[in-house]
Amino acid sequence: GNSVTQMEGPVTLSEEAFLTINCTYTATGYPSLFWYVQYPGEGLQLLLKATKADDKGSNKGFEATYRKETTSFHLEKGSVQVSDSAVYFCALRWEAAGNKLTFGGGTRVLVKP
Amino acid sequence: DGGITQSPKYLFRKEGQNVTLSCEQNLNHDAMYWYRQDPGQGLRLIYYSQIVNDFQKGDIAEGYSVSREKKESFPLTVTSAQKNPTAFYLCASSPREKPGEAFFGQGTRLTVV
Repeated sequence: GNSVTQMEGPVTLSEEAFLTINCTYTATGYPSLFWYVQYPGEGLQLLLKATKADDKGSNKGFEATYRKETTSFHLEKGSVQVSDSAVYFCALRWEAAGNKLTFGGGTRVLVKP
Repeated sequence: DGGITQSPKYLFRKEGQNVTLSCEQNLNHDAMYWYRQDPGQGLRLIYYSQIVNDFQKGDIAEGYSVSREKKESFPLTVTSAQKNPTAFYLCASSPREKPGEAFFGQGTRLTVV
């Protein structure tokens, strides 16, 4: 079945540091890929998406590129802020699987001033 | 303002009692989902519904039940058959034209004592 694997956290960074969160997936066919963010005590929010190979999703300084050859969708940000402290979830959707969203385990990021 | 509302935010129940979690959306979304989130873990799909009067089991449906009598509402009942019901429950919805772009509620934290 479809699955998503993320690097385990927590990831602790200083402000203005570079952030990378690795995400790889297993799926038949060509899923759409997403990054969601969860701030403390809240539900998830869509951060960015990519629907086909080589697409780059971007939002709020975050970027991720859909790499079919490596089945990856790594999230990056060049200069993090304290307000970026949250849990980040990689997810995929495959139409043939009924449009279900399958999530990775989440990666907690803590940015220190 | 359009959105998805879960209530209550915190819920306490005694072991052996059934409990129903509310989820309402006014986004006119066709699809709705229930996820369970345990500490340090990702989201696991309990049930989902693509259309009114229809729903499918997710990955961990045992001990749960749902109904979808109205487009706006997708209540989740946690039954006494659920072995470990204490968790954070998240409801989500997504539009037909953008499946995978889910809007999440704020969540309900259920504690069974």
